Amino acid sequence: EVQLVESGGGLVKPGESLRLSCAASGFTFSRYAMNWVRQAPGKGLEWVSSISSSSNYIYYADSMKGRFTVSRDNAENSLFLQMNSLRAEDTAVYYCVRADGYNSFDSLDFWGQGTLVTVSS
Amino acid sequence: DIQMTQSPSSVSASVGDRVSITCRASQGIDNWLAWYQQRPGKAPKLLIYAASNLHSGVPSRFSGSGSGTDFTLTISSLQPEDFATYYCQQVNRFPRTFGQGTKVEIK
Repeated sequence: EVQLVESGGGLVKPGESLRLSCAASGFTFSRYAMNWVRQAPGKGLEWVSSISSSSNYIYYADSMKGRFTVSRDNAENSLFLQMNSLRAEDTAVYYCVRADGYNSFDSLDFWGQGTLVTVSS
Repeated sequence: DIQMTQSPSSVSASVGDRVSITCRASQGIDNWLAWYQQRPGKAPKLLIYAASNLHSGVPSRFSGSGSGTDFTLTISSLQPEDFATYYCQQVNRFPRTFGQGTKVEIK
């Protein structure tokens, strides 16, 4: 069974940093691109970042470029999101999501339950 | 960036109704489109990929159509568990972008 478990969320002040982690199991992690998607309270889904299976290709939403850094450790089946210079508008639930380029045309086929990041003074 | 526009933003319907949601891309994306369902307090789930292909385990009352810039998600006979918010997403180019969501509510 595919499982994605996020951790690392919490309450931080504007300008501070936070590192999110996602532990993957139930599939060959090193074969899949992974994504972060966020959802502000009461709002829609916002794609944050994508990293290819071997970390060769990395993409970010414009509003996160230069502040967020995605990385992965295939040996540990883990995905990370380093978030710096956090702003109030970064307050959201952050989801770790698998992209299936083999069977589902790069659609996001498995989602974690999310971790809440709150940025407030 | 490719903008995705869904309509309507919300729809009220009864159990057994047929419901259709449309999604328009600001430029052509062939069939690189996915649909997701999100129930309150839960993570989204993939319903349809490549515009018209049902993801594993998704009931056949869900269907998708379209190509290029215009796409439709149809629920043929609404069930109680289908009351949720639905999102389209283009997976043609980066940055990936979602529609703003369509909330299906009980009439």
